[in-house]
Amino acid sequence: DAGITQSPRYKITETGRQVTLMCHQTWSHSYMFWYRQDLGHGLRLIYYSAAADITDKGEVPDGYVVSRSKTENFPLTLESATRSQTSVYFCASSEAQKDRGAEAFFGQGTRLTVV
Amino acid sequence: GNSVTQMEGPVTLSEEAFLTINCTYTATGYPSLFWYVQYPGEGLQLLLKATKADDKGSNKGFEATYRKETTSFHLEKGSVQVSDSAVYFCALRIASYGKLTFGQGTILTVHP
Repeated sequence: DAGITQSPRYKITETGRQVTLMCHQTWSHSYMFWYRQDLGHGLRLIYYSAAADITDKGEVPDGYVVSRSKTENFPLTLESATRSQTSVYFCASSEAQKDRGAEAFFGQGTRLTVV
Repeated sequence: GNSVTQMEGPVTLSEEAFLTINCTYTATGYPSLFWYVQYPGEGLQLLLKATKADDKGSNKGFEATYRKETTSFHLEKGSVQVSDSAVYFCALRIASYGKLTFGQGTILTVHP
């Protein structure tokens, strides 16, 4: 299916466990992003990637790790989950910046609960 | 740094009422401005955008004008519908980067 897909849609994990959220896009977009959505904070950027093997920290990167060995995949790993990482996580992708108004496309989100 | 500030929510309106959601920004550089909408249980979708001063973005009856002098991008709709109930996010992007900076979101509920 064309588009951007995240998996799983829902996840419950225990404090201290490692968990990986998956993101796959079929457009070959250069840019990919991970955001977390929390009430009162809107969306905050965790990490982003401008191309395969190029990643950079966003606003709230602590406790997270990303990799991008292939253009279409951008997994997000919580190395040792904490309750403060309970959130809804969104992956997004967009074309390279040829167009100032290039649209970012979002996945449906992963609701992660850390207990 | 770059930031976006939206009006506090939630906003509750009756069907056919006029809607305004305020958005102001601070940016280092010349941003493009966006409004995204999130319907319940879904990801964000682009609603409209503007890439330079005085541009007006419009879609589905919604409008917003890029005002550089007031650093604002307020969202308006003349007559809202129940189906417009959603969370609305204002965002900016500096031309040389791919990442979007979002406001905190405004929950809109429209009653019949």
